[in-house]
Amino acid sequence: QTVVTQEPSFSVSPGGTVTLTCGLSSGSVSTSYYPTWYQQTPGQAPRTLIYSTKTRSSGVPDRFSGSILGNKAALTITGAQAEDESDYYCVLYMGSGIWVFGGGTKLTVL
Amino acid sequence: ELQLVESGGVVVQPGGSLRLSCAASGFTFDDYAMHWVRQAPGKGLEWVALISWDGAYVHYADSVKGRFTISRDNSKRSLYMQMSSLRAEDAALYYCAKGFGSSAASWVDYWGQGTLVTVSS
Repeated sequence: QTVVTQEPSFSVSPGGTVTLTCGLSSGSVSTSYYPTWYQQTPGQAPRTLIYSTKTRSSGVPDRFSGSILGNKAALTITGAQAEDESDYYCVLYMGSGIWVFGGGTKLTVL
Repeated sequence: ELQLVESGGVVVQPGGSLRLSCAASGFTFDDYAMHWVRQAPGKGLEWVALISWDGAYVHYADSVKGRFTISRDNSKRSLYMQMSSLRAEDAALYYCAKGFGSSAASWVDYWGQGTLVTVSS
């Protein structure tokens, strides 16, 4: 069973830049996995940030960007703000109709 | 405005059954694949199941295969999840979610607010 990996936690200073990654326990992430990123604050439903590797969802600030970095999908926040303190999840398409979420990254802005 | 409203979450005993529903509005329901995603208390998101726009194709996470059945009624703009042989580890907030497109390779782009399933004796 393939596991989708994410950093459990990350910290960034206000105004700083942080890159969260989404990898595979075996193999490399490519655009064929349609990596998609979600943001979730406590008590709220997730919000779609980036889909299909690098397309920002409607209304998402341009400080959020997606890419493939090496063998992983990446979510970069440039100029982090206090309201970006959230949990971030990636999901990958494994083929045959199967999607798998990563374990999520808890981002602290301080 | 696009809306997904889940219902049906209750307290159920281990081994019991339950049917979740999701009422969709604000978009052309039968143009899109639909997902169920769950989140156990204090845990991360877990993809559960997907159904194609026409119901012809369904896919499940291994953790629920053989116990859960996803279905849809396009005439009622509704998505369902029939859950049986429930286990403690099935306790979670269940989100109804819209796919970006009509096929299986359709990531979730909109989420409902979820319905809570508790499995307890």
